Amino acid sequence: EVQLVESGGGLVKPGGSLRLSCAASGFTFSRPWMSWVRQAPGKGLEWVGRIKSKTDGGTTDYAAPVKGRFTISRDDSKNTLYLQMNSLKTEDTAVYYCTTEMAGFGWTEGMDVWGQGTTVTVSS
Amino acid sequence: EIVLTQSPGTLSLSPGERATLSCRASQSVSSSYLAWFQQKPGQAPRLLIFGTSSRATGIPDRFSGSGSGTDFTLTISRLEPEDFAVYYCQQYGSSPLYTFGQGTKLEIK
Repeated sequence: EVQLVESGGGLVKPGGSLRLSCAASGFTFSRPWMSWVRQAPGKGLEWVGRIKSKTDGGTTDYAAPVKGRFTISRDDSKNTLYLQMNSLKTEDTAVYYCTTEMAGFGWTEGMDVWGQGTTVTVSS
Repeated sequence: EIVLTQSPGTLSLSPGERATLSCRASQSVSSSYLAWFQQKPGQAPRLLIFGTSSRATGIPDRFSGSGSGTDFTLTISRLEPEDFAVYYCQQYGSSPLYTFGQGTKLEIK
């Protein structure tokens, strides 16, 4: 069964740090591009960042609100995606989802597998 | 920065009716990079459509997508009870790299 399971969420004070993990199973983890998408309480979906497959360079891209504070990495040997979040702000409070995307230069098949999400609350 | 505007904000229909959801982009989007998602309360989003009109694996054929340029549409031909949810369109490729619309809530009339 294809599955993504996020962990690492919790309550953290403003200015603090947190690392989220996303454990993958049921597919070849090294192949897809991986993204983090978040959803603030009662709000819509917001893309956080993406890491390409190592075959496609393993490069990362981030949304403007998190650039310079968040870092995405992947360990293909452990089938795990990470999101290191530093200098957290109250507006980072959200459910964080990891998602896969089979894609390459000039094509994508969309974000087709999603985890169940992990909740991050930033509050004093 | 590209903005996706979905309309209507809420759509009230009955099972068996046809639903038409709109997504308008502030600038042209490649048809290869427009997707639609469904999200039910307490659940993760589910990919319905990618590349404007290609159904994702396991998606029933009552869901269809169309459009080009700045105007895209998700159509549900005959609503089933399980189709009542929030729907998001998404683009890839323009700054920011991925953008979601604000969502359309499809509710039972």
